[in-house]
Amino acid sequence: AQKVTQAQTEISVVEKEDVTLDCVYETRDTTYYLFWYKQPPSGELVFLIRRNSFDEQNEISGRYSWNFQKSTSSFNFTITASQVVDSAVYFCALSEGSRGNEKLTFGTGTRLTIIP
Amino acid sequence: KAGVTQTPRYLIKTRGQQVTLSCSPISGHRSVSWYQQTPGQGLQFLFEYFSETQRNKGNFPGRFSGRQFSNSRSEMNVSTLELGDSALYLCASSLDWGTGELFFGEGSRLTVL
Repeated sequence: AQKVTQAQTEISVVEKEDVTLDCVYETRDTTYYLFWYKQPPSGELVFLIRRNSFDEQNEISGRYSWNFQKSTSSFNFTITASQVVDSAVYFCALSEGSRGNEKLTFGTGTRLTIIP
Repeated sequence: KAGVTQTPRYLIKTRGQQVTLSCSPISGHRSVSWYQQTPGQGLQFLFEYFSETQRNKGNFPGRFSGRQFSNSRSEMNVSTLELGDSALYLCASSLDWGTGELFFGEGSRLTVL
């Protein structure tokens, strides 16, 4: 059965610090997709990134970067030079299958607070 | 471009009643999925629809059902409500089925008394 673990329940950092959110996943499928979603205080979940299991290249998008390592079943998310607007709950998620589907298994989320 | 619209936003029901929640996806999006979010269980998948067909179903009892209409709008229904059904019900749409790139609505917060 698939499972996503976000061991960090809450993290607080001072603005401009870098912060890494951890995500560890379990799956028996060789083909799967990993995601990160952000849920700001307003409540609406926002898609950040999708990565398939065959693409282990790290990705950078502005201040955001993602590190995917199949060897450790991890898909970690780093925010560089954090800002107050980054305060939110961040969810890592997994879907199985080559075609993909909308059935995502979410982790329990990490609540990130950026202190001004 | 309008986002995913869910109605009602808030509702209060009593045990044993039933409830219907509605979701209008982003224009042009053909896939709709539903999730339940609670403090204890987190985000859990309910079901997903594409072209009026249920493509996948989560591990919820048969009291939870849904459907999708020809205009991609979707409804979910919960019958014989229980206290544990109190939750935020989130609808998400995507342009095509299987992308996992979901656009979520603000949710319908259901309280069962």
